[in-house]
Amino acid sequence: GNSVTQMEGPVTLSEEAFLTINCTYTATGYPSLFWYVQYPGEGLQLLLKATKADDKGSNKGFEATYRKETTSFHLEKGSVQVSDSAVYFCALSAAGGYNKLIFGAGTRLAVHP
Amino acid sequence: DAMVIQNPRYQVTQFGKPVTLSCSQTLNHNVMYWYQQKSSQAPKLLFHYYDKDFNNEADTPDNFQSRRPNTSFCFLDIRSPGLGDAAMYLCATSRDLTGGTEQYFGPGTRLTVT
Repeated sequence: GNSVTQMEGPVTLSEEAFLTINCTYTATGYPSLFWYVQYPGEGLQLLLKATKADDKGSNKGFEATYRKETTSFHLEKGSVQVSDSAVYFCALSAAGGYNKLIFGAGTRLAVHP
Repeated sequence: DAMVIQNPRYQVTQFGKPVTLSCSQTLNHNVMYWYQQKSSQAPKLLFHYYDKDFNNEADTPDNFQSRRPNTSFCFLDIRSPGLGDAAMYLCATSRDLTGGTEQYFGPGTRLTVT
């Protein structure tokens, strides 16, 4: 079946450090891939997405590239800020389905000044 | 601003006492979803509506029901809440069911069962 695996957290970084959160997926066909962010006590916000192989999604300094050959969609940011502290979810939407999102377990990021 | 609204943000109910959670949207989207997110876990889809067509996930307990009286509103009914139903319930909408279409989430309702 379809699934998403994320690196376990928490990830603790100092401000301005480089961030990588690994995400790999298992799916038939060509799913769409997403990163969502959840701030404390809030719902999910779409951070970025990619709908086909080699696409790069980007937003607010975050980037992720859809790698079909490695079935990965790693999230990166060159310089994190305290305000980036949140839980990050990688997710997929399977091709030919009904846009159901399958989420990874989430990775908590804590950024310290 | 177009948005997804959930009420209430926090709900406390007693074991076995029916409870209803509400979601409304101003996006005029065709699809509305309900997800359950237990503490420190990933959100899990319970069911969705495409217009008036209801689709239940295979592993959603019968205790969970939903109603969509019109395009804008969707309700989640828990007939007899158990302690294991304590969670954040997230409502989301999307324009259609095409894979890759963005889903817009509400802020969630945190349900406590005492």
